[in-house]
Amino acid sequence: DTGVSQDPRHKITKRGQNVTFRCDPISEHNRLYWYRQTLGQGPEFLTYFQNEAQLEKSRLLSDRFSAERPKGSFSTLEIQRTEQGDSAMYLCASSTIGQQGAIYGYTFGSGTRLTVV
Amino acid sequence: GQSLEQPSEVTAVEGAIVQINCTYQTSGFYGLSWYQQHDGGAPTFLSYNALDGLEETGRFSSFLSRSDSYGYLLLQELQMKDSASYFCAVRSPGDDKIIFGKGTRLHILP
Repeated sequence: DTGVSQDPRHKITKRGQNVTFRCDPISEHNRLYWYRQTLGQGPEFLTYFQNEAQLEKSRLLSDRFSAERPKGSFSTLEIQRTEQGDSAMYLCASSTIGQQGAIYGYTFGSGTRLTVV
Repeated sequence: GQSLEQPSEVTAVEGAIVQINCTYQTSGFYGLSWYQQHDGGAPTFLSYNALDGLEETGRFSSFLSRSDSYGYLLLQELQMKDSASYFCAVRSPGDDKIIFGKGTRLHILP
């Protein structure tokens, strides 16, 4: 297993276009998280899945954003009608949830850098 | 809610020791983690403290005081490759995600 993979690494799009990013987590991990990171800031939580169920969404995730994890493996994050303020690094992480809610192996991918022009 | 405070930048000299502080406010507390992120790279896990005290891993150590809601990351024998951003992060009971601070940019001078 090569860790968490994200595709594409970079995406430039025109304002108003839709974009979709993909994340492939570590295969034995049942938790998958999406974060957004802007320059000089820490990763900000967007949403997470346990298997195929989306269990929490941040208020940062406007109705233009949608995430799916249809088979409990890879996940996609789609942004509709992109705005310049959506320009950021979108990070995916995966982990295992163990006994008593302990989280193990929180591992990030290298991210997708989105630039909206 | 949860919040974390850490200095935005720290500068140190190669070969020296540097300490990066983190204070947090959470409703409950599971533990404090530290992550390193090089420019253009993924955040990578460095250490985790659930209990008070010092945890050492090679040149890096992390300390936690739960009563003071405070922790720090100590980097010894600094190398140029340690130039990166360092994030403290917390998870609270009943919360299934990790929340990150804004990060400390570490500049290392030769």
